[in-house]
Amino acid sequence: KNEVEQSPQNLTAQEGEFITINCSYSVGISALHWLQQHPGGGIVSLFMLSSGKKKHGRLIATINIQEKHSSLHITASHPRDSAVYICAVLNSGGYQKVTFGTGTKLQVIP
Amino acid sequence: NAGVTQTPKFQVLKTGQSMTLQCAQDMNHNSMYWYRQDPGMGLRLIYYSASEGTTDKGEVPNGYNVSRLNKREFSLRLESAAPSQTSVYFCASRDDTPYEQYFGPGTRLTVT
Repeated sequence: KNEVEQSPQNLTAQEGEFITINCSYSVGISALHWLQQHPGGGIVSLFMLSSGKKKHGRLIATINIQEKHSSLHITASHPRDSAVYICAVLNSGGYQKVTFGTGTKLQVIP
Repeated sequence: NAGVTQTPKFQVLKTGQSMTLQCAQDMNHNSMYWYRQDPGMGLRLIYYSASEGTTDKGEVPNGYNVSRLNKREFSLRLESAAPSQTSVYFCASRDDTPYEQYFGPGTRLTVT
């Protein structure tokens, strides 16, 4: 079993829909990172969080440390949100160890 | 600020050839990383450098070497390329706190 599991693996949504991507992990962490990878391949940081909730524009990230679970929400989705969303955890046991999920591929249709 | 830059963007090698992937960051970060990304798998750590002058193996170091030339630059060398090294390679650097990683644009490498 992977240390970081994302669901769903693929997601197709209509423009305007509310989207949720989930990330579950099985190790102790000091922080969790949500990343966005566009079709061109570049990877951009969206959020870094260790507790609670963060919001940036239409994106909201939450984390529940006790349940070892994080969610990324996109409100009023738009075709430009189409990308792969990657969850990564910074393991608490090792300063440099980051474990990545395999990503959720999102397509938003106009 | 350019952030993290990588060269080249694309490369095709024949089996047995060597090459060096270059990475530089202008954010004064201590930590730098090399990852590979393969279809259906998460990013995997090849090597990292916690500070200038130090390097350590990650999850998949076989067939690679690295050099932390100075605080800005971290290069990845393939001494004798193999088809299994066909992948997309990402360099990243990281804040000391809050540990946020910044990625380069990637190098798409094909070994035939």
